Amino acid sequence: QTVVTQEPSFSVSPGGTVTLTCGLNSGSVSTSNYPSWYQQTPGQAPRTLIYSTNIRSSGVPDRLSGSILGNTAALTITGAQADDESDYYCVLYMGSGIWVFGGGTKLTVL
Amino acid sequence: QVQLQESGPGLVKPSETLSLTCAVSGYSISSGYYWGWIRQPPGRGLEWIGTIYHGVNTYYNPSLKSRVTISVDTSKNHFSLKLSSVTAADTAIYYCARQTGSWYNFDYWGQGTLATVSS
Repeated sequence: QTVVTQEPSFSVSPGGTVTLTCGLNSGSVSTSNYPSWYQQTPGQAPRTLIYSTNIRSSGVPDRLSGSILGNTAALTITGAQADDESDYYCVLYMGSGIWVFGGGTKLTVL
Repeated sequence: QVQLQESGPGLVKPSETLSLTCAVSGYSISSGYYWGWIRQPPGRGLEWIGTIYHGVNTYYNPSLKSRVTISVDTSKNHFSLKLSSVTAADTAIYYCARQTGSWYNFDYWGQGTLATVSS
């Protein structure tokens, strides 16, 4: 069974930089998995941040960026702000019409 | 502007079938794109349920495949989810979303609807 792994929680100081990762329990994440990232605040639907590894969705500031780091996909937030405090989910496309969500990372800004 | 809106009964009895509809505005379903369903149990993470493409090609989460059916009604510009033999574990917020075929992402989301399984 394919499991997409994310850090359950992370903390960053205001103005700081944080990198969240998205891995696979078996194998490496590559651009062929078309990693995408979503932000979700309590009571709201997810919002698209990054797709196809590193393409920012409309309106997403350039202090958010996506990449492949080693064998994982990564979402880096620089100059962290209070409203970055959210849950972040990655999704990987596994081919053959199968998508798998990671378990999500709860980011705290303090 | 593309908008999606889920609807359906908020309460379903155990062993029955959960039926939800996603109404799409601002884009014609028959024009392309993939259309999917995602759910989120209270306090937990997101889970992809399934996707439909061109109204006939369906893809389902292997863990739910035996109980899920997704279909499209192009005349009403909406698509639907049926999940059979539900249990309390199926209690969740259910989201519909548009998916791109070029980058395999979910670009537009509905606001979600809570479906509770209880007798």
